Amino acid sequence: GQSLEQPSEVTAVEGAIVQINCTYQTSGFYGLSWYQQHDGGAPTFLSYNALDGLEETGRFSSFLSRSDSYGYLLLQELQMKDSASYFCAASSGNTPLVFGKGTRLSVIA
Amino acid sequence: DTEVTQTPKHLVMGMTNKKSLKCEQHMGHRAMYWYKQKAKKPPELMFVYSYEKLSINESVPSRFSPECPNSSLLNLHLHALQPEDSALYLCASSNYGTDEQFFGPGTRLTVL
Repeated sequence: GQSLEQPSEVTAVEGAIVQINCTYQTSGFYGLSWYQQHDGGAPTFLSYNALDGLEETGRFSSFLSRSDSYGYLLLQELQMKDSASYFCAASSGNTPLVFGKGTRLSVIA
Repeated sequence: DTEVTQTPKHLVMGMTNKKSLKCEQHMGHRAMYWYKQKAKKPPELMFVYSYEKLSINESVPSRFSPECPNSSLLNLHLHALQPEDSALYLCASSNYGTDEQFFGPGTRLTVL
């Protein structure tokens, strides 16, 4: 089976940096993805890590440590529009994505 | 076209009704998915189609019946649903074997 753990809620100030952690227990792990979902919207893909290290895409970066079964999403220069739920998701073998329970990020002024 | 479309946006049905949800993509993706999402919960995988063949059925009750008429279309036929089936139903597609899934806007289903 697979399980992913991430904090349920995070609050951060506009302009700041926030890190959302994700630990996973997955047999045959392939990679870790991150999705953003605004209230009433659909999930949208943010990033994917299959190898250890940091992947940067604009204000968002994602990190993976396979040896620690750990990853994080880093959001810089936070904006109000970044308030959303963020899901980590793991894939393995021929098993499609399994999503974590999600972290609700609130950006405050 | 990098969009997944779903119809209808909203659906209210009784427990004896039969209805269908539709999903379409024109990105050439050969993997398509149905998810169910309850409020404040993650998407929960229901079915996966790979190259128009059902490859994964996550023990979904038979009152949900998926269909993939061609590589661009995915349907979910609903019959004799229960109130607890009320949820957001999301369709997604991806290139086969990749984790970047493109989600449609979903159908908000209410079962009375």
